[in-house]
Amino acid sequence: DVVLTQTPPTLLATIGQSVSISCRSSQSLLHSNGNTYLNWLLQRTGQSPQPLIYLVSKLESGVPNRFSGSGSGTDFTLKISGVEAEDLGVYYCMQFTHYPLTFGSGTKLEIK
Amino acid sequence: QVQLKESGPGLVQPSQTLSLTCTVSGFSLTSNSVHWVRQPPGKGLEWVGAIWSGGSTDYNSALKSRLSISRDTSKSQVFLKMNSLQTEDTAIYFCTRSSGLLDWGQGTLVTVSS
Repeated sequence: DVVLTQTPPTLLATIGQSVSISCRSSQSLLHSNGNTYLNWLLQRTGQSPQPLIYLVSKLESGVPNRFSGSGSGTDFTLKISGVEAEDLGVYYCMQFTHYPLTFGSGTKLEIK
Repeated sequence: QVQLKESGPGLVQPSQTLSLTCTVSGFSLTSNSVHWVRQPPGKGLEWVGAIWSGGSTDYNSALKSRLSISRDTSKSQVFLKMNSLQTEDTAIYFCTRSSGLLDWGQGTLVTVSS
């Protein structure tokens, strides 16, 4: 199974600060069809996860453009440019290039 | 509007069988896959399995021997059955739409306890 290693496990940020979360895969997520099936999800407390970014860098509809994704192969990054209070929660990367679909262990974003 | 809603017993005794239903609306099961994901209290997400638009299934290998996912397209429902439940199966169980997990149900908490 593909292991996704997320760092840091916890992130403490002030409003307006820019932060990054890393997601490293145990094997390349480049599919034979040329797509890289690496997504990012946000789970706010007491809620279901919601998709933020798909195919590494594409924003889901309605997601603010302060969120951005980048990376390729085995190394991926989620960046929030100017954290807002509503961004707190747990961020997960997930991959479905290889089955079983797997998730990272999560990064908890807390606001100072 | 896409919606998914999980239903089932909140409490299951150890060694018994869990049966959950995911009722969907706003999309067709014959055009979309439905996945089950679970989350133990205070922990991360684990993919359980999926039923594809054509009706075939895939399961988490760690759960495969105990797990069955099926559907009734006429009722827009997907079913999860897991037998021989143990306390470590205690979790919130979510159903989600498509491989990208684009839409999620609210989840249903299943507690395995005597």
